[in-house]
Amino acid sequence: KQEVTQIPAALSVPEGENLVLNCSFTDSAIYNLQWFRQDPGKGLTSLLLIQSSQREQTSGRLNASLDKSSGRSTLYIAASQPGDSATYLCAVRPGSNYQLIWGAGTKLIIKP
Amino acid sequence: SAVISQKPSRDICQRGTSLTIQCQVDSQVTMMFWYRQQPGQSLTLIATANQGSEATYESGFVIDKFPISRPNLTFSTLTVSNMSPEDSSIYLCSVFNPSTGYGYTFGSGTRLTVV
Repeated sequence: KQEVTQIPAALSVPEGENLVLNCSFTDSAIYNLQWFRQDPGKGLTSLLLIQSSQREQTSGRLNASLDKSSGRSTLYIAASQPGDSATYLCAVRPGSNYQLIWGAGTKLIIKP
Repeated sequence: SAVISQKPSRDICQRGTSLTIQCQVDSQVTMMFWYRQQPGQSLTLIATANQGSEATYESGFVIDKFPISRPNLTFSTLTVSNMSPEDSSIYLCSVFNPSTGYGYTFGSGTRLTVV
């Protein structure tokens, strides 16, 4: 059974720092992995989608990597800003099943 | 990618009443999903809304409590029936986008408080 874990559960850093959020999964047979951002009480915004055949995806200051063999993905945020404060969720789509398996999220606070 | 309009964004409801949440998508999509996010928790899939057939519910969720309609490929509703305070959650709709490499897009969420 696929399980997704996100570490750390919470992170607080000063503005301007580069940081890494981690997502691990137990079964390497995945179709893709998606990173989302959620602001308090709001919906989810898709940040990056990595297909199983890809190693990384980039969008602006964000870079997501995928290592299926080790069951890990990282979300790298460069030059963090207070506006990056949110909860970051990773979700794995296992095989051809349309359901997503969710991590519990990392709550990120960027201090001005 | 698809753009989803979800309404209402929030509501405070009396116990025993029902609330219907709407999701409108700006393009035709095959699959729409309804999620619940209880306070401090991650997302839990309630059901998959299929156009032209009954929704497929996940374990622990039943049609009488969460009736779903999907009259066409761009619209769906979720009703939370006979509400209790335990139903206080964020409810989210999501669509499946083959055109974007099979990624998922979410609505802005409905924050429901039952008093």
